[in-house]
Amino acid sequence: ETGVTQSPTHLIKTRGQQVTLRCSSQSGHNTVSWYQQALGQGPQFIFQYYREEENGRGNFPPRFSGLQFPNYSSELNVNALELDDSALYLCASNGGAEETQYFGPGTRLLVL
Amino acid sequence: SQQGEEDPQALSIQEGENATMNCSYKTSINNLQWYRQNSGRGLVHLILIRSNEREKHSGRLRVTLDTSKKSSSLLITASRAADTASYFCATAGGLGAGSYQLTFGKGTKLSVIP
Repeated sequence: ETGVTQSPTHLIKTRGQQVTLRCSSQSGHNTVSWYQQALGQGPQFIFQYYREEENGRGNFPPRFSGLQFPNYSSELNVNALELDDSALYLCASNGGAEETQYFGPGTRLLVL
Repeated sequence: SQQGEEDPQALSIQEGENATMNCSYKTSINNLQWYRQNSGRGLVHLILIRSNEREKHSGRLRVTLDTSKKSSSLLITASRAADTASYFCATAGGLGAGSYQLTFGKGTKLSVIP
């Protein structure tokens, strides 16, 4: 157990809809990162938040956005869903200068 | 984009045998980490090796890093059926202010046959 939780575990949406995925980090971890993992691929970095500010972004369009809250929870929002957004979405947290990221179990999103 | 490339893509061995997985990467790194993933769920951190280290051990795991060749290997000794999983290498690049972005390879799918 990493102490990182995500909700929901599974989600089905239709193309064009919007979705919000949630993550609860370990207490004391002020950095949260989000990753997208397509079937058969490795996770790809979406963005990272540090103390409620975006700290870095991967090659994802602006319709992927996020929020981080003072209570160590965070959200990933995806607007105008596309079929290719179907994937496992993982959040990971780490604290201070710690290099190890602790992953949650993921949310599996299916876009029809 | 994927930085690391694991080799082989799939590996099937008998319980008790050793399993070796390799990873190559393209750019300079702060550290390299290995993760395990069971059945498409969350990733579990196995071991981290820094760019100035050459070898590291943790239980049945041995990791090597060759920065001149931009490659790493993960050795699992005396494998068990419970080691069946996908294994990913991830390189850590700086985002500044002590934060790191992980760039993953496509993974090696290990099957350990009882």
